Amino acid sequence: DVKVTQSSRYLVKRTGEKVFLECVQDMDHENMFWYRQDPGLGLRLIYFSYDVKMKEKGDIPEGYSVSREKKERFSLILESASTNQTSMYLCASTGQGSNQPQHFGDGTRLSIL
Amino acid sequence: GQSLEQPSEVTAVEGAIVQINCTYQTSGFYGLSWYQQHDGGAPTFLSYNALDGLEETGRFSSFLSRSDSYGYLLLQELQMKDSASYFCAVNTGRRALTFGSGTRLQVQP
Repeated sequence: DVKVTQSSRYLVKRTGEKVFLECVQDMDHENMFWYRQDPGLGLRLIYFSYDVKMKEKGDIPEGYSVSREKKERFSLILESASTNQTSMYLCASTGQGSNQPQHFGDGTRLSIL
Repeated sequence: GQSLEQPSEVTAVEGAIVQINCTYQTSGFYGLSWYQQHDGGAPTFLSYNALDGLEETGRFSSFLSRSDSYGYLLLQELQMKDSASYFCAVNTGRRALTFGSGTRLQVQP
């Protein structure tokens, strides 16, 4: 079974802090994704990566950056956290092929005070 | 832009059949997926349709009509454990999925 592990289930940070969210997958997947999930808005794509050191902006990249130094690890960085970034953050991974399902981690509920 | 429309909430009773519709307007289309998410849990993959027609997996079926930009998820013999949110998602060809806002299904005894 594919395992996608997010480093924290709950996180509380202060406005202006630099925040790191970590995600690790164990299935040698090429593609990894970061989404945020807010009530009534579904899952919105922040960034994704299709290879080590490669990244592409999603639909809402402003205020975020990402890092993929190793194939199994994809990090989301909030450069200077703001209260409107309080949300549930979900990481996912998938193999090659357009019909491959995305496998999600359990999510990190991030609160910015 | 991209848009996916699905009802925000659906209520049904145990043992019944429920259909959750999804209409989409996207710049590219390779297939339609459905995901289930229980409260506090991770979304999990249910089905994928790339071609027109019905795909059946146990109590769940998914249908796609590419000409109508429309699909649905059909849940039969509803059980209490089916209470969850259901998301349709389109593969537009950019590797990432575009998700709908989700349908919250409440199954009542």
